[in-house]
Amino acid sequence: AQKVTQAQTEISVVEKEDVTLDCVYETRDTTYYLFWYKQPPSGELVFLIRRNSFDEQNEISGRYSWNFQKSTSSFNFTITASQVVDSAVYFCALTEDSISNFGNEKLTFGTGTRLTIIP
Amino acid sequence: NAGVTQTPKFRVLKTGQSMTLLCAQDMNHEYMYWYRQDPGMGLRLIHYSVGEGTTAKGEVPDGYNVSRLKKQNFLLGLESAAPSQTSVYFCASTAVLGTPYEAFFGQGTRLTVV
Repeated sequence: AQKVTQAQTEISVVEKEDVTLDCVYETRDTTYYLFWYKQPPSGELVFLIRRNSFDEQNEISGRYSWNFQKSTSSFNFTITASQVVDSAVYFCALTEDSISNFGNEKLTFGTGTRLTIIP
Repeated sequence: NAGVTQTPKFRVLKTGQSMTLLCAQDMNHEYMYWYRQDPGMGLRLIHYSVGEGTTAKGEVPDGYNVSRLKKQNFLLGLESAAPSQTSVYFCASTAVLGTPYEAFFGQGTRLTVV
């Protein structure tokens, strides 16, 4: 069975500090996809990134960066120079990939990390 | 550009009442999903559908029924609401081709059962 663990329940940092959100996953599949979603106080879920299991390159998008390491089954998310608008709950998620499952995104979510940026 | 729309956004039910949550998507997506979000538990899959007329159980299907009579709509029903079904419900859809594996979510329905 798939499992996603976000051990950090809540994190608070002062604005402009860097912060890393941890995500550890378990799966028996060799092919899978990992995701990060942001849930701001307004409640909607905002897609941030998708990474497939064959692509271990780190990715950077503005102040956001992701570190995928298959050796440790981790997919960590770093926000550089944090801003108050980054305050949200962040979810890491996992889905398997197979021919029979193609496009079928049955996501397994972690429990989320509530990030508060203090002005 | 509506995307995924959920109706209603808020609802309060009494124990034993029934209701239907509607999810509508205008992206011609094949796959649709219902999740529930509870504090400290993330989102959990209730039911999903891989196409019109087909549905399947997810992780927490008990107490819910679903129907997908039209490709664009996915209905979630509670026949006899219980306080344990107090939650925020999210609908999502994905495409088979184009941008697979990116789920588009609705804005959520906050349901309280008293």
